[in-house]
Amino acid sequence: GNSVTQMEGPVTLSEEAFLTINCTYTATGYPSLFWYVQYPGEGLQLLLKATKADDKGSNKGFEATYRKETTSFHLEKGSVQVSDSAVYFCALSATSGTYKYIFGTGTRLKVLA
Amino acid sequence: EPEVTQTPSHQVTQMGQEVILRCVPISNHLYFYWYRQILGQKVEFLVSFYNNEISEKSEIFDDQFSVERPDGSNFTLKIRSTKLEDSAMYFCASRGVRGFGTEAFFGQGTRLTVV
Repeated sequence: GNSVTQMEGPVTLSEEAFLTINCTYTATGYPSLFWYVQYPGEGLQLLLKATKADDKGSNKGFEATYRKETTSFHLEKGSVQVSDSAVYFCALSATSGTYKYIFGTGTRLKVLA
Repeated sequence: EPEVTQTPSHQVTQMGQEVILRCVPISNHLYFYWYRQILGQKVEFLVSFYNNEISEKSEIFDDQFSVERPDGSNFTLKIRSTKLEDSAMYFCASRGVRGFGTEAFFGQGTRLTVV
């Protein structure tokens, strides 16, 4: 079945450091891939998405590239800020049926000033 | 900007009681979902709803759970007899006509605490 594997957290970085959060997936066909962010006490917000191989999703300085050959969708940001502290979820959406999401376990990011 | 609205934001209930969690999806969306997040854990799929019927449900979604779209706008999740392990954040989501490739929009969640 479909699954998403995310790197374990928490990840603690200093402000302006480079961020990578790894995400790999297993799926039949070509799923759509998403990164969602959850700030403390809040719901899930879409951060970026990619719907086909080699697509790059980007938003607020974050980027992720859909790599079919490595079945990965790693999240990167060149210079993190304290305000980026949150939990980041990688997710895939099936390509048929109910298009439900399968989420990774989430990675908590803490950015120190 | 259209958004998915969930009420209440927080509900405390006694074990064995029935609860109804309410959601107003984005109008003209056709696919509706409930997900659950136990504190500190992953977000888990519960059920999807399309064309006025359940299209898929997970093993979590047992006979204690039901969903309804009573009036064409609200989308509710009912838990008949709550258990302590039902304590979680429940998220409603909807997505538009083209299911593939379009993102789901999530509500802010209802935190359910069963005591």
